[in-house]
Amino acid sequence: EAGVTQSPTHLIKTRGQQATLRCSPISGHTSVYWYQQALGLGLQFLLWYDEGEERNRGNFPPRFSGRQFPNYSSELNVNALELEDSALYLCASGRVSSGNTIYFGEGSWLTVV
Amino acid sequence: AQSVTQLDSQVPVFEEAPVELRCNYSSSVSVYLFWYVQYPNQGLQLLLKYLSGSTLVKGINGFEAEFNKSQTSFHLRKPSVHISDTAEYFCAVSAGGTSYGKLTFGQGTILTVHP
Repeated sequence: EAGVTQSPTHLIKTRGQQATLRCSPISGHTSVYWYQQALGLGLQFLLWYDEGEERNRGNFPPRFSGRQFPNYSSELNVNALELEDSALYLCASGRVSSGNTIYFGEGSWLTVV
Repeated sequence: AQSVTQLDSQVPVFEEAPVELRCNYSSSVSVYLFWYVQYPNQGLQLLLKYLSGSTLVKGINGFEAEFNKSQTSFHLRKPSVHISDTAEYFCAVSAGGTSYGKLTFGQGTILTVHP
C-alpha cells in the first residue's frame, strides 16, 4: 500500500511569487493535514481538510490556503511568498477508523530567495 | 489548548547503552500522545502512540513509552540503542476525537548514537 506522496520534492521560488504543493493521501484516508517545519520554529499545524472542506487552520496568514479534491488529494498554495516561508512542508493523512493516527509524507522543501 | 515540552534538545549516547527521551505535556482535556522520528532529509515516521488503555506502549524498533497522567509525562525509552537510531525525535499531543490529527509538537530531541 502506497504511503502519503508529496510533490515536488524541492521547489525554489522568488519572493512575491506563488508556490503550489501537492499531496496524495493513503488510499482510503479522507483527511489531509498540512504542517510547516521551519528552522527555529519547529513543526506547526497549518491546515486540515476532510471530505473536501477546510475543517481548521493554524495561526497562519490567509495567503496560506489550499483545497481538497474529490479524490481526497490536496493542494497547498502560498501566495506572495516571503523569505520566512522557506521550510519543509509536510502533508499527513488519516481517518478516524485508522486508529486516530496520521501518517506523514516525505515533505516538500520550499526555498524562497 | 495543549502544549508539549521536550526537556532535552540533544542527547548523546554510546551504542548499546539505554536511552530515555523526556516529554511533558499540558492539556485541559484528555489527550492522545505520539512519538515520531525524523531521519535526516525525511518526513516523520510514527514510532508509537497512546490513545487509551495500558500506560506502557510498545512501538517499532524496540522503543517503548510510558504514559504517566499524574506527572503529565510520556517519556520514550530504549534499552539498547544502535547507530541507526541517530535521528530527531518528536513528541506530540492531540485532543483526540475528531481533532486527532491536529497535533501539537514538542521542539524535538536530537539523539546521536556514538560507536
